[in-house]
Amino acid sequence: EDKVVQSPLSLVVHEGDTVTLNCSYEVTNFRSLLWYKQEKKAPTFLFMLTSSGIEKKSGRLSSILDKKELFSILNITATQTGDSAIYLCAVVFPQGGSEKLVFGKGTKLTVNP
Amino acid sequence: NAGVTQTPKFQVLKTGQSMTLQCAQDMNHNSMYWYRQDPGMGLRLIYYSASEGTTDKGEVPNGYNVSRLNKREFSLRLESAAPSQTSVYFCASSEYRLSYNEQFFGPGTRLTVL
Repeated sequence: EDKVVQSPLSLVVHEGDTVTLNCSYEVTNFRSLLWYKQEKKAPTFLFMLTSSGIEKKSGRLSSILDKKELFSILNITATQTGDSAIYLCAVVFPQGGSEKLVFGKGTKLTVNP
Repeated sequence: NAGVTQTPKFQVLKTGQSMTLQCAQDMNHNSMYWYRQDPGMGLRLIYYSASEGTTDKGEVPNGYNVSRLNKREFSLRLESAAPSQTSVYFCASSEYRLSYNEQFFGPGTRLTVL
């Protein structure tokens, strides 16, 4: 069963819109949640969240974690065509004496001019 | 600094052939990782090396082997390729042990197994 579920799987908006991407997870002993942006090639790191209720912000992007309800959201305000990408959520949790990282399937965001 | 480099960029194999994907980083990072990405599947961790001299299985290790040749290089080997291994493979590294938030990714290798 999927440990990390992202929704929606795809989203098409117009420039200037605000979007909210969702990531829910189900792991034991959660350590952290990460957001990545993937354009044509390799993913690039956006945020890491470990504490509930603390918003991480970078320009028009922000993210918050709810450890009680086991989810995170990524908000993008005033979207631009350059925001078009796949947004990946991943969760880190302990397993077998080490730490594992599991990704969700991603949300494909398309921003039209 | 080149960052994380991967070779080859593209490869086509026949079922049953073997090959090694090469990855090198010049950032003196301690941990290195191999992922595969299939359409609609996000990234899945195949193997990782928390530090030089150690390797460990990730989420989908079956059909693969790895070698941490030295601190710079981490190779992924397919001993007998299968069509199910058709994918895009990413190598990544991080300075601190298993600090996933600080991973730098390579450009990827697109592998097709016929």
